[in-house]
Amino acid sequence: QKEVEQDPGPLSVPEGAIVSLNCTYSNSAFQYFMWYRQYSRKGPELLMYTYSSGNKEDGRFTAQVDKSSKYISLFIRDSQPSDSATYLCAMSINQAGTALIFGKGTTLSVSS
Amino acid sequence: DTGVSQNPRHKITKRGQNVTFRCDPISEHNRLYWYRQTLGQGPEFLTYFQNEAQLEKSRLLSDRFSAERPKGSFSTLEIQRTEQGDSAMYLCASSSGSAGNYGYTFGSGTRLTVV
Repeated sequence: QKEVEQDPGPLSVPEGAIVSLNCTYSNSAFQYFMWYRQYSRKGPELLMYTYSSGNKEDGRFTAQVDKSSKYISLFIRDSQPSDSATYLCAMSINQAGTALIFGKGTTLSVSS
Repeated sequence: DTGVSQNPRHKITKRGQNVTFRCDPISEHNRLYWYRQTLGQGPEFLTYFQNEAQLEKSRLLSDRFSAERPKGSFSTLEIQRTEQGDSAMYLCASSSGSAGNYGYTFGSGTRLTVV
């Protein structure tokens, strides 16, 4: 079993839909949780960063962490064609100077 | 400063040849990381530098791989005697001490194809 599991999709939705992306993990020592967006032929770009359990909202994006269930989610409201990308969850034990453990990534396509 | 710069963007090499990639981090960032990403997978950690000191290496970093950051600025990743399994995207990222993982900025990567 990998430390971080993420359904690779692909996920196709119409413009304006609410998108839910999820990851599960096995290492209870993870405390820092991130979502990255990666466009084709580009490096990952940080979208959301959360420490421990709880919710965080930034515009159309909401990140949720449930440490008791070892489950994290990213919600995208009013999805746009420009949201079409691969979304990667990542997590780490320490805040700095440590490896990030990534999921496989979920490929999202938003059609207009 | 326009972010993390990686060169070359693409490299095609024959099996058995040596290759070297370069990463120029954001100038004020003292931490530098190398990751490898294969098709359909997330990035996998290879190694980490704080200033010029290499502080952590993954078991993925076999003895054919070596990374340096001689003056705490740019870094190089060398792969000796390349194998077809080395074909991947090699990503560099940097962060500052104060920002921790929040300030983790990736470059666009170097895509290596071993034929």
